[in-house]
Amino acid sequence: EIVLTQSPATLSLSPGERATLSCRASQSVSSYLAWYQQKPGQAPRLLIYDASNRATGIPARFSGSGSGTDFTLTISSLEPEDFAVYYCQQRSNLYTFGQGTKLEIK
Amino acid sequence: EVQLVQSGAEVKKPGESLRISCKGSGYSFTSYWISWVRQMPGKGLEWMGRIDPSDSYTNYSPSFQGHVTISADKSISTAYLQWSSLKASDTAMYYCARHTDSSGYSFDYWGQGTLVTVSS
Repeated sequence: EIVLTQSPATLSLSPGERATLSCRASQSVSSYLAWYQQKPGQAPRLLIYDASNRATGIPARFSGSGSGTDFTLTISSLEPEDFAVYYCQQRSNLYTFGQGTKLEIK
Repeated sequence: EVQLVQSGAEVKKPGESLRISCKGSGYSFTSYWISWVRQMPGKGLEWMGRIDPSDSYTNYSPSFQGHVTISADKSISTAYLQWSSLKASDTAMYYCARHTDSSGYSFDYWGQGTLVTVSS
């Protein structure tokens, strides 16, 4: 089973700042990595698929990069609605999720 | 409008059986896989397994293989997740989600979730 490790566990930033979230895979997943956002009481929402492709309707401030084992989700300038939990997910070998990064308001 | 509508919250006792559902609408149900995802209280997302509704082919996470059964009835555009004998540790929110190649097999639409509580 491929294990995804996200860092940091919690990220404290202010609106307008840049957020950088990391996801590391225990073995290469090529570019088969997605990012999701989940707010309290809501289902997750797809942000990025295949490492760098924005899903339909996702603002341009969200971007993804990486390949192989190291991936990054960047939010260029945080909006108040961006504070949430973010998960990475691989689909190279079935599916697994990372443990999540909580992005909180500083 | 694409929708995945899940069945309502359930409260069960240990040892009881349960089947929850996920009904798709607004798209071709047999053109997308359906996956089930568990979220235990205050915890992260765990992929449980998936089904291709066109032929009911399934894959399971090793962590859930043998503990749950995923099925589908394409005639009514509905996927199911079932347990034969619930445990208290099955208490969680369960989500269904669809996926296909158009979004890199990532989960582009999700159901609203079904809360399952198992308590004596």
